[in-house]
Amino acid sequence: AQKITQTQPGMFVQEKEAVTLDCTYDTSDQSYGLFWYKQPSSGEMIFLIYQGSYDEQNATEGRYSLNFQKARKSANLVISASQLGDSAMYFCAMREGLSGGGADGLTFGKGTHLIIQP
Amino acid sequence: DSGVTQTPKHLITATGQRVTLRCSPRSGDLSVYWYQQSLDQGLQFLIQYYNGEERAKGNILERFSAQQFPDLHSELNLSSLELGDSALYFCASKRDNLNTEAFFGQGTRLTVV
Repeated sequence: AQKITQTQPGMFVQEKEAVTLDCTYDTSDQSYGLFWYKQPSSGEMIFLIYQGSYDEQNATEGRYSLNFQKARKSANLVISASQLGDSAMYFCAMREGLSGGGADGLTFGKGTHLIIQP
Repeated sequence: DSGVTQTPKHLITATGQRVTLRCSPRSGDLSVYWYQQSLDQGLQFLIQYYNGEERAKGNILERFSAQQFPDLHSELNLSSLELGDSALYFCASKRDNLNTEAFFGQGTRLTVV
C-alpha cells in the first residue's frame, strides 16, 4: 500500500487563484511528521512546510498553509494567491517512527505537477 | 541556495563501472541523507548517517554503499552500475537527529549508458 498518496498528477491554475494540493498518508505510528517540498524544473528540492502529528494548529509559512485533518489522514497544501513562479512539482512526504527517537528518511508521494497560467 | 553542496552535478558512465558521489552538508549539520529520484521509482530514501555513523537504511541496493567522514562530508558509492541506476541522486542534511526539515542539495544527475 502507498504510504503517501497524491491523487493529482497535474493541475492547471490561473495566476492569483488559491491552490489546494491533496495528500493522504497511511501510518500506524502515533508520532510522525508531514512535509511538503517543491521541485522546480531546475531540479532542486525546496522545503516548504512541516506539520507534526501532535501539532494542534495547522502549519503556515507565508503563502503556504497545511490543512491537517488527522482523522482523515490528510495533509493538503494550500497555496494562496498563486504566482507564475509557483509552477513546479510538489511532493508530500512523511517521516514515521518518531516515538522511538531519531529521524529516519522521508517517504515521498509521486508528486503533483502544478502549472500556473497567466 | 540550501548550503548543501553536491559534486559532480552531472556524471555519465558506462554499465559495470563504479562512481562516487560527494556531499558537503550545511555547516554544523550532523545528519546526512541520500535519496534517489528516478522516473519509475520516484523519490526513495537510501541511507542516513548521523555524526559519522550509519543511522537508518532505506531501499539501498547492496551494490551501493555510503560513508560519512570525520569532517561530516559524505560519499555515496555506486558499483556494477546498470542502466536502471540512471537517476538524480540527492543529498540532504539537517542539524540534528530530530524531526526537523532536511535541506537538499542540487543533486547529481547520473546517466549510465
